[in-house]
Parts: sequence; C-alpha cells; structure tokens
Amino acid sequence: QPVLTQSSSASASLGSSVKLTCTLSSGHSSYIIAWHQQQPGKAPRYLMKLEGSGSYNKGSGVPDRFSGSSSGADRYLTISNLQSEDEADYYCETWDSNTQVFGGGTKLTVL
Amino acid sequence: QVQLQESGPGLVKPSETLSLTCTVSGGSISSYYWSWIRQPAGKGLEWIGRIYTSGSTNYNPSLKSRVTMSVDTSKNQFSLKLSSVTAADTAVYYCARDAMADYWGQGTLVTVSS
Repeated sequence: QPVLTQSSSASASLGSSVKLTCTLSSGHSSYIIAWHQQQPGKAPRYLMKLEGSGSYNKGSGVPDRFSGSSSGADRYLTISNLQSEDEADYYCETWDSNTQVFGGGTKLTVL
Repeated sequence: QVQLQESGPGLVKPSETLSLTCTVSGGSISSYYWSWIRQPAGKGLEWIGRIYTSGSTNYNPSLKSRVTMSVDTSKNQFSLKLSSVTAADTAVYYCARDAMADYWGQGTLVTVSS
C-alpha cells in the first residue's frame, strides 16, 4: 500500500509564502492525493485534490492563496500571503481500491 | 452544503464495543464511499475504514478483526462498531465523505475507561 511522507514542521513569516511537501512511496508516484488543513481544536478541512499532472481542484470556500503542484512523486501545497489563521496542521492523504492512507502531518507555524 | 454529524456514547468500558453513527444531511448518501477516521490526542489521523452505499467495505488491516461498518440509506446514516476496545482506542472519531474526505464531521471524543 502507498506511504506518504511529510516533514513534521515548517515555519514562515506573516505575509510570505510557504511550500509544504508530501512524498509518495516508490511505485505510487502517479497517485492522486488530497490536502487537508486542521486548525487547533478543530476538525480537519478539505483543501484540494491534487493529481500527478499538477492539476488541482479546491474545496468550496478555500482561498485563492492556496495552490497545489506536483513533481514526480512529490505533491506540494503552496500558501501565499500567509495569514495567522493558516497556522495549522496540514495532512496529505491518498487512496486506492482497498485503502486510504494519511501522511504524518506538517505543523505550520506562522512567525 | 453537505453536513456530517457523528453521534454515540462518549465513554466506553474496556473490552466492550464502541458504536458510532454518522448522519448525512444536505445531500444524498447514495453513490459515495463513507469513511471513518480517528485521531488520538496530540497525534495524526488514522483511517479506520470505509463503506460504499452498496454495503461494500474496506478496513484498515490493523483494525480489520475488530471493525464492522454498515449503512442505512433510508436514514442517510452509516455506522461504525469497534469491538474489544482498550485505552489505545481513545480518540476523536470523525466521519467523512468519499476516499478524498471532501466533507468532514465535527468529530466526537470517545474515551475508553472503566
């Protein structure tokens, strides 16, 4: 089954941009993933579905500041013009016909 | 707007069965996968399993022997049963729509304790 690898933490300054990475395991580089945001004390929120081509489809109400891209087995979430409310845990997720898998999550700190 | 709401006991005794229901509103439950996901305090998300509206299921191999899911399309609900629980099953339990989890419930805390 696929495995997703994320850095445990990241930080960036208010108003700047940050690019979070999710890496698919060997043999699974073509998989579609989803990005989810979990603000402190809240349920996760779906941000987008991201394909290996780099094409992405955002959820309802997700700000334009959030975008996705891909390169090989890597899937990226870029957040531009960082706001204080973007400080959260970010999880990637993938699935196939038998399973769903989450990455370990990246804790983003906005400085 | 699709909304999901988990319901069930917040406290379960060790060795007993945890039972939760997710009610879907604002849309039909038909023709989607419906997932259960949990999160122990301070930890990441763990997929428990999913059920299609036909009743077909997929479970996390690490939990498969203890998990049963069902769906009631007439009530727009789906359910989770986790048997022989221990303290390690204490977590916030979420229900979500489809494999990509494009809609989530608010979550419900289930504590396993005597």
